[in-house]
Amino acid sequence: DAGVTQSPTHLIKTRGQQVTLRCSPKSGHDTVSWYQQALGQGPQFIFQYYEEEERQRGNFPDRFSGHQFPNYSSELNVNALLLGDSALYLCASSLQGSGANVLTFGAGSRLTVL
Amino acid sequence: AQSVTQLDSQVPVFEEAPVELRCNYSSSVSVYLFWYVQYPNQGLQLLLKYLSGSTLVKGINGFEAEFNKSQTSFHLRKPSVHISDTAEYFCAVSELMGYSTLTFGKGTMLLVSP
Repeated sequence: DAGVTQSPTHLIKTRGQQVTLRCSPKSGHDTVSWYQQALGQGPQFIFQYYEEEERQRGNFPDRFSGHQFPNYSSELNVNALLLGDSALYLCASSLQGSGANVLTFGAGSRLTVL
Repeated sequence: AQSVTQLDSQVPVFEEAPVELRCNYSSSVSVYLFWYVQYPNQGLQLLLKYLSGSTLVKGINGFEAEFNKSQTSFHLRKPSVHISDTAEYFCAVSELMGYSTLTFGKGTMLLVSP
């Protein structure tokens, strides 16, 4: 049973560019959340998608946007990249209504902005 | 809003010694509590969770944690650590009535040496 898969695993961009990260949730899960983990910090919640809509959002600017597709996979887009956007971006999936609020995390996409 | 404080950024221990990683939280509502582990260059793996019931929770790899409501703590313990336990450990909370959004602490690096 495949867990959460993310791509790409590593990427390098320059300031001002745009990036798209992709996530396939664990089989049977319908909710996808994105987290940003800066070096030496805990993950911070960016937003959550359910039924192809953004359901909840953390304290991140509008440069961060996302999408969820009918097959429950998701994309995270970041525009006008800043040096401070360098981080590990983690995707997590869960099943709505399953209770317990247990998330399954992917291995992450490490973004370096030069 | 919730917050999580992990009191130690780094905990060095010798192999086979016991260890405790401390976690305190703050929240105006009832929460679920979690411990996740992150091995180098990997995503987050759930160690254990407290949802309700017994305040002593057992997880994978011999770890356990105790929920103390009066002290708003959820400390992680292991009676005898192995070299392979070397990793970053994150304490997290989510609202009982929320959308499974996690608020993480900054993490504690457990360093196990021979």
